[in-house]
Amino acid sequence: GQQVMQIPQYQHVQEGEDFTTYCNSSTTLSNIQWYKQRPGGHPVFLIQLVKSGEVKKQKRLTFQFGEAKKNSSLHITATQTTDVGTYFCAGLSRGAGGTSYGKLTFGQGTILTVHP
Amino acid sequence: NAGVTQTPKFRVLKTGQSMTLLCAQDMNHEYMYWYRQDPGMGLRLIHYSVGEGTTAKGEVPDGYNVSRLKKQNFLLGLESAAPSQTSVYFCASGSRTDTQYFGPGTRLTVL
Repeated sequence: GQQVMQIPQYQHVQEGEDFTTYCNSSTTLSNIQWYKQRPGGHPVFLIQLVKSGEVKKQKRLTFQFGEAKKNSSLHITATQTTDVGTYFCAGLSRGAGGTSYGKLTFGQGTILTVHP
Repeated sequence: NAGVTQTPKFRVLKTGQSMTLLCAQDMNHEYMYWYRQDPGMGLRLIHYSVGEGTTAKGEVPDGYNVSRLKKQNFLLGLESAAPSQTSVYFCASGSRTDTQYFGPGTRLTVL
């Protein structure tokens, strides 16, 4: 079945340093989504990428979708303590009939800690 | 709007006991999902539903059953709990935009 691998598993940074997490899928994706989970909280949707080579920005966060639609990355510039949490990528593949029922395959997540 | 709610928030069971986790959403979403989250494993799909009265197996369905008798509710049942089912359980709902909205989670410990 479809697999989504995410690296690194952990990342410790000093406040102000940059951070990047990478996501690779074993199959071509229809879209990829990113979620953030604060410690003790639940996953919260950040963004969805659909087009090959797409780049989207949200303030200090930059999201990329690879040309082959099999990989993605999230880059945070100048991390802040509020960025602490686990970042998940989640890939969606549509079946032959074009339906997916929104079934996502999640990566293992990258746990980000930020030292002030 | 409350979004997605889950009850209970915490539960401790003994091996062999049964319980039902309730998920409710007020966003009129067609799709609902149950995940479990374990350290280093990400979120794994247990069962999902694409509409009232329908359910389907996800990646890790063994030991669990589900029901969707009403559009807004999705129940997850453990008939005979095992220590391997100790986990944090998240319910989510979504629509054809594919974005999922998660509930606050249920932390379950099976002794």
